[in-house]
Amino acid sequence: KAGVTQTPRYLIKTRGQQVTLSCSPISGHRSVSWYQQTPGQGLQFLFEYFSETQRNKGNFPGRFSGRQFSNSRSEMNVSTLELGDSALYLCASSLATGDRGAYEQYFGPGTRLTVT
Amino acid sequence: AQSVAQPEDQVNVAEGNPLTVKCTYSVSGNPYLFWYVQYPNRGLQFLLKYITGDNLVKGSYGFEAEFNKSQTSFHLKKPSALVSDSALYFCAVRDGAAGNKLTFGGGTRVLVKP
Repeated sequence: KAGVTQTPRYLIKTRGQQVTLSCSPISGHRSVSWYQQTPGQGLQFLFEYFSETQRNKGNFPGRFSGRQFSNSRSEMNVSTLELGDSALYLCASSLATGDRGAYEQYFGPGTRLTVT
Repeated sequence: AQSVAQPEDQVNVAEGNPLTVKCTYSVSGNPYLFWYVQYPNRGLQFLLKYITGDNLVKGSYGFEAEFNKSQTSFHLKKPSALVSDSALYFCAVRDGAAGNKLTFGGGTRVLVKP
């Protein structure tokens, strides 16, 4: 099976702009989670989607949003970009959400976002 | 609130020697624990997980981890380290009531010297 794919891999944006990142999960996986990785804050959970519904949301401002489509593909959007949004954004897919078990998550290579 | 601590920023070990990466956790309810590894410019790769049962969990690439409930620890181990094991290792905990949300430790960089 193909792994988790994320597009684009690299992105440079200017402060105030908005950006949309895309994630295609492993075939058959219905849960998609997003994480932000920075040198200062480490890995932080953004949100999780399962069956097109947001299941969980981390402690990020409303500028960060996401959605999931019927084919389980997911997008996240960041509006009004700030310098501090520069990070590696990782998408992870899982067979199901965790209520009935502990499902390992499979991560994509990430999108490196640089805000100037 | 759940939390994970990895007390060592970096671990240095000679090739062929045992490798241990430490992790302690704090979570309400049953802990679901994971180890991931990250190579440069790559996403995270799943190594192993503990849900319940045997306290010694075996995973990918010869890694194993020991769950200790009384010490709230989940240390990652490998009997004989390889140079190719040099990477960034993350311990994570999932709150059983929070879907797939993972809380990660700060990471431990492992350097295996030939």
